[in-house]
Order: sequence, then C-alpha cells, then structure tokens
Amino acid sequence: DTGVSQNPRHKITKRGQNVTFRCDPISEHNRLYWYRQTLGQGPEFLTYFQNEAQLEKSRLLSDRFSAERPKGSFSTLEIQRTEQGDSAMYLCASSRPSGGPDTQYFGPGTRLTVL
Amino acid sequence: GIQVEQSPPDLILQEGANSTLRCNFSDSVNNLQWFHQNPWGQLINLFYIPSGTKQNGRLSATTVATERYSLLYISSSQTTDSGVYFCAVFVYNQGGKLIFGQGTELSVKP
Repeated sequence: DTGVSQNPRHKITKRGQNVTFRCDPISEHNRLYWYRQTLGQGPEFLTYFQNEAQLEKSRLLSDRFSAERPKGSFSTLEIQRTEQGDSAMYLCASSRPSGGPDTQYFGPGTRLTVL
Repeated sequence: GIQVEQSPPDLILQEGANSTLRCNFSDSVNNLQWFHQNPWGQLINLFYIPSGTKQNGRLSATTVATERYSLLYISSSQTTDSGVYFCAVFVYNQGGKLIFGQGTELSVKP
C-alpha cells in the first residue's frame, strides 16, 4: 500500500474564493471519507463514499461544500465562496470493502487558511 | 448520537515514565481505533481494537466493550511519543463515520 495521499498539503486563499482538494485512497479501498479538524478538536465527519455513491453527508457540509468521486477512485472536495470559518485541516481516509475490518487509514491532510 | 470522552485532556511525563489514557463511549460500538497525531497533523493508526487486548512494542490497548471503555498504555515513554492521542468509534447503524474524542495531548520531557 502506498497510503492515502492528499493534495495540496497547504492552501492559503482569500475569503470568497473557491478551493478544491484532492484525495487518492489506498488502491482497492472502496470506501472514502472526508473529515474536518479545527484547532484543539478531534476530526469531525463530513461525508463518505462507497465506490462512486455518496452515502452520507454531515450537517456540517453546507451548500457551499461539494464532494465527488466520479469513478470510484480519487475524490475531490470543493468549497465555494470560502469564509474564514472554513479554515481547518481537511482529512481524507479510506477503508477496505465491507466484510473486512473497517480500519480507516488517513492521509496527511490539507491545511486550509482563509484570509 | 454516541458520545466519546477522553481523559486526561493533557499529560506531561518525564522520559521513561508509564501512562494510561482512557476513552469512554456512551453506547455499544462495532469498532474502536486509537490514533497518534504527529506535529504535522498526520493521524497514525495505533490499534484497531473493538474488544480485548493488543500489544505493539511499548504500546498496548484494552477495550472492555461491555463496560464501554478503552485504555491505551504507554510504557517507558520517549520524547517521540509526544503528540495528541485520539480514540474513535464506529457504529454501523450510524453510518460509515468514525466519531472521535477530543484527544489527550501528551508531552514527554527529556
């Protein structure tokens, strides 16, 4: 396994701009998760995919947020009209097909700063 | 929804000391993981332990599912053990998400 990768690792943007993050899960992991972590807190769930289907979205995921996983491989998370409150670490995780252990493996995260 | 509480919130140790971190959860769970978050933010898997006891080097973990808690033991601590330790639980009927505690911030002094 090469591990979960995320790009970019850091993003600084001005309020009102759109940003997009990418996550590449471990190969053959069909479940992919997005979490958000603010300073001093544990990660909070945003959304998850099984293959290309988005199965659950948190209430934290406002209308300005959209996530896709078009071919069931990599995923993108887009934030439109960014606000200073969006500043956080965005973490992606993946896990194996159901029937096996549900251990989630996390990527290094994308740290977003909105000025 | 399920609540996850970790204690203590902060812990300062001298190198070589032992420590126990606790994770309490409010309902039955199907999975529990312990993570170490390094200073760069990477979450590193320590244990997948829905029940029983596991050991990996100086670290071990025990989950007593019937009493809804898990313990992480760190023996002979080293400065590289510093960081934040999270437990997280997974419940099938609450979707696919992990629910994290607030973490224990460990600082090991030389």
